[in-house]
Amino acid sequence: SYVLTQPPSVSVAPGQTARITCEGNNIGRKSVHWYQQKPGQAPVLVVYDDSDRPSGIPERFSGSNSGNTATLTISRVEAGDEADYYCQVWDGDSDQAIFGGGTKLTVL
Amino acid sequence: QVHLQESGPGLVKPSETLSLTCAVSGGPLSNNHWWGWVRQPPGKGLEWIGDIYHSGSTNYNPSLKSRVIISVDKSKKYFSLKLTSVTAADTAVYYCAREGGATRLDVWGQGTTVTVSS
Repeated sequence: SYVLTQPPSVSVAPGQTARITCEGNNIGRKSVHWYQQKPGQAPVLVVYDDSDRPSGIPERFSGSNSGNTATLTISRVEAGDEADYYCQVWDGDSDQAIFGGGTKLTVL
Repeated sequence: QVHLQESGPGLVKPSETLSLTCAVSGGPLSNNHWWGWVRQPPGKGLEWIGDIYHSGSTNYNPSLKSRVIISVDKSKKYFSLKLTSVTAADTAVYYCAREGGATRLDVWGQGTTVTVSS
């Protein structure tokens, strides 16, 4: 089945820009969604359809998707952004949702 | 605003059936959404289990398909998960969620912890 690969961890200093990648075969042809999960909490959708933001999500969160890589970009990173981030797509070949393995964002 | 709440036993014995319910409030269950289940083993990532439409159509994770049944009761506004023949590997936090366009999971329940142990 379709596989999404994320780096296990990304570290960034406060105020800098964090980029979290999600790699998959021709992922640019799929709609990619991103979730933020803080310890002990349910995931929260932060970007959908590659680059759209749900209401209430800061403009600092943005996304892009092309070729074999989708990217979640968090600008002006804050301590409160420290969390696990997951990408997700729908695999039409197997009719199932697929999650990436998750990336732990550490704010230094 | 739609709210989801999972409920069910927190402890299930090996080889038995895990049964969970997700109550939907603040909006209709029978609009243009699919309703799904996701689980997360301790210290691990998210795993999609399956989903259901209000008509009863379902999709299941192929790795779990032989053991999973998802059903819906529109009149009572809830949908359910049954996972048979459980083992310790099924120990996880189980979330229910609403699936929006392109199957994005835009509303989540708070999650319920299920431990498989004798």
